[in-house]
Amino acid sequence: DQQVKQNSPSLSVQEGRISILNCDYTNSMFDYFLWYKKYPAEGPTFLISISSIKDKNEDGRFTVFLNKSAKHLSLHIVPSQPGDSAVYFCAAAGSARQLTFGSGTQLTVLP
Amino acid sequence: DTAVSQTPKYLVTQMGNDKSIKCEQNLGHDTMYWYKQDSKKFLKIMFSYNNKELIINETVPNRFSPKSPDKAHLNLHINSLELGDSAVYFCASSQGRTIWQFFGPGTRLTVL
Repeated sequence: DQQVKQNSPSLSVQEGRISILNCDYTNSMFDYFLWYKKYPAEGPTFLISISSIKDKNEDGRFTVFLNKSAKHLSLHIVPSQPGDSAVYFCAAAGSARQLTFGSGTQLTVLP
Repeated sequence: DTAVSQTPKYLVTQMGNDKSIKCEQNLGHDTMYWYKQDSKKFLKIMFSYNNKELIINETVPNRFSPKSPDKAHLNLHINSLELGDSAVYFCASSQGRTIWQFFGPGTRLTVL
């Protein structure tokens, strides 16, 4: 039973446009959510996070939105750049601070 | 300088063999993890060590045995390899038991 789901395995957007990556979770005990970015042949690197007490966190071109009632979060990248092309993993953690990951979304930003 | 390094990067071996994957971190962290990325691309925690003591041990076959000789190293030894062990294995580290984890580049294990 996958507690964190990324239902879109891939997403293509034009350079300069907005990329929206989605993530759903089922465990209401999760209180922290993260996005990791992964390039080929590298490990995941932390991108941005949000606590369950917030509904939005912004860092430059990256914004994460959290809708607790829908158990849904999304990552917005504006404007998208070719260097953003990577696999994006959503992850969630509860009080034990153990990360549960989704299966990732491959983002391709077309020049 | 690589913060979290793993060796080897690729490992191809026959069923039934025993193999080890090594992980080292130079971040001064006291907690290290092993994750397995399966064929469906989910990253799943296998083990976690804090100050050389096992603190997380998910439902993993006992053919997998982590060894932490010191805080900077966490090695993964796998006995009697099976086809289903083929995956990418990631090592990670953090300061304390926290969500802020730094990952190594991964080791792609292929069992033939």
